[in-house]
Amino acid sequence: KQEVTQIPAALSVPEGENLVLNCSFTDSAIYNLQWFRQDPGKGLTSLLLIQSSQREQTSGRLNASLDKSSGRSTLYIAASQPGDSATYLCAAPIGTSGSRLTFGEGTQLTVNP
Amino acid sequence: SQTIHQWPATLVQPVGSPLSLECTVEGTSNPNLYWYRQAAGRGLQLLFYSVGIGQISSEVPQNLSASRPQDRQFILSSKKLLLSDSGFYLCAWSNAFNTEAFFGQGTRLTVV
Repeated sequence: KQEVTQIPAALSVPEGENLVLNCSFTDSAIYNLQWFRQDPGKGLTSLLLIQSSQREQTSGRLNASLDKSSGRSTLYIAASQPGDSATYLCAAPIGTSGSRLTFGEGTQLTVNP
Repeated sequence: SQTIHQWPATLVQPVGSPLSLECTVEGTSNPNLYWYRQAAGRGLQLLFYSVGIGQISSEVPQNLSASRPQDRQFILSSKKLLLSDSGFYLCAWSNAFNTEAFFGQGTRLTVV
């Protein structure tokens, strides 16, 4: 059974700081891993999807890495901005299929101006 | 481009009343469809998924049911709501190859 853990649960940083959010998963036979952003009271916005054959994916100031052997993924946010304040969730597939997902409980990020 | 719609955005229902939440996807065919619930202060939990019309799989036993009457329509229902059914319900879709998942804006359900 796939279990996903995110550390820290909350993070507060000053604007402009580079930061790393951590995600760990128990089943290394992972199909892919997806990072999402959730604003308060809103749905999830997909940020990055890393396939099992990839080691990282980049989109703008975001970079996500995947290390299957250690069961870890990181989301790196460069030059953080107040608009980056949100909850960030990582999700891994349940079993061998792609999009039946199990989620971590998220990291609530606050970027202070 | 593909879009996913959920309604209503918020709903307050008394205990014992029925429930119907609807989700539709546009711009794609034969999507895989999912219902998740996010309870207060907790992570998302997969409730149901569907790979085709009339094909529903349940992930957890509960007071809810799901139906897929059309290819791009997914409905979450209950005959009698419980207080414990309160939460934030999210619909999602992915393509048939089960890659990236995309979510709707959610429905906040409060059972009183």
